[in-house]
Parts: sequence; C-alpha cells; structure tokens
Amino acid sequence: DTEVTQTPKHLVMGMTNKKSLKCEQHMGHRAMYWYKQKAKKPPELMFVYSYEKLSINESVPSRFSPECPNSSLLNLHLHALQPEDSALYLCASSQVHEPGSGNTIYFGEGSWLTVV
Amino acid sequence: GQQVMQIPQYQHVQEGEDFTTYCNSSTTLSNIQWYKQRPGGHPVFLIQLVKSGEVKKQKRLTFQFGEAKKNSSLHITATQTTDVGTYFCAGRSSGTYKYIFGTGTRLKVLA
Repeated sequence: DTEVTQTPKHLVMGMTNKKSLKCEQHMGHRAMYWYKQKAKKPPELMFVYSYEKLSINESVPSRFSPECPNSSLLNLHLHALQPEDSALYLCASSQVHEPGSGNTIYFGEGSWLTVV
Repeated sequence: GQQVMQIPQYQHVQEGEDFTTYCNSSTTLSNIQWYKQRPGGHPVFLIQLVKSGEVKKQKRLTFQFGEAKKNSSLHITATQTTDVGTYFCAGRSSGTYKYIFGTGTRLKVLA
C-alpha cells in the first residue's frame, strides 16, 4: 500500500471543464511531484515542489496549474484540457529534493484522466 | 539533454527462466534507481545504486551499476508470475535535481 493518497482515482472531463486532482502524504516529506504517464511510456516529470515552493516546472502548458497549500498537500488544477492530455497522473513525494540526495520517490496510485 | 534507454522493450519468458533488463544513459549518472510497475498500477521503488560497480541483491533480483556509471542492469533469477510488470530505471546526473526515467522493459512470464 502506498502512503501517498490521490483522489479521484478516475476522472472524465470535457474540454471546457475545470477540475482538480488532489494528493496527500503524511510521511513528513518536503518534496512533492507531479508526473504524467501515457500508456506504455515512462513517467514524465511535470512539476516539483520543494518546501512548498515550486522548484521545477518542466515547461508544462498553463492549462495545468499546480498548487501546494501545505507540506502535506499537492493539487493539480486542470482547465481547458485537450484529449491528448488524457493520461495517468502520478503524485509522488520524497524526503527532500536537492542535488546530491538519493531519496526514494514514493508514488501514489495515480489518477486516470480522460478528456472528452 | 539526458536520455535513458532500456533494452529490451519487451520480454516474454517461461516461468523459471532468467530475465535481464539493461539501462543505458547518455550522461554519467550520480545514482540510479529501479522501479517496478505492475499492469494498471503505479511505480514502486525497488532499489538505489550509488557507487561505481556496485552490486546489490534482493532475493532473486540482482542489480548492478556499471563502472563508468552510465549503465545498469537488473537480473531476475527463476522468474515467477508475480514478476510480471514493467521495470524502469531512473537516473540522476550529478548536480541535477531530476531523475530521468528509462523507457522501461515490459516483462511477461508464461506459466
């Protein structure tokens, strides 16, 4: 069982909808991540939050908007998505996110997103 | 930019046979991690390798980090049906924050 909890597990949304994916961890980790994974492909990093501040944005389109309300929570706000954005969105956390650190990344079970 | 390739892309083995996946990076790595993702599941951390030439074992799984720290391998002895899934390596170049996932090797074990 993963200690990173994601909701919802499945989401179907229209291209004009606004929805949010939520992620929570209570391991005291100070780094949280959003990854996107298409079928039969590896996870691709989208965003990294370190100590509740956005540390990395991998040139993600603005229709994806991350938010880190506190050290335990991470949201991904979705607006005006395209069908090609349909994928598994994985939240993850690690103790810290610093060069030189080899921290284990703990993944949540993911949110399966379908854009129609 | 950094690229991490894995071979083979797919592997079907009979239960009891051995299996190996290879991970190759275009850049020298500071450390490498291995993950397993079951069908319909999420990646689960298996192990981390840091030292040049390092070898680590977990029961039937043997992980190796190359001397030049640009490649790694995962070997499974006597596969079982529970080994089914996709195995990803994820490498981090020194001085960088990010782990780049390899392309993955999908393992099917035939009973």
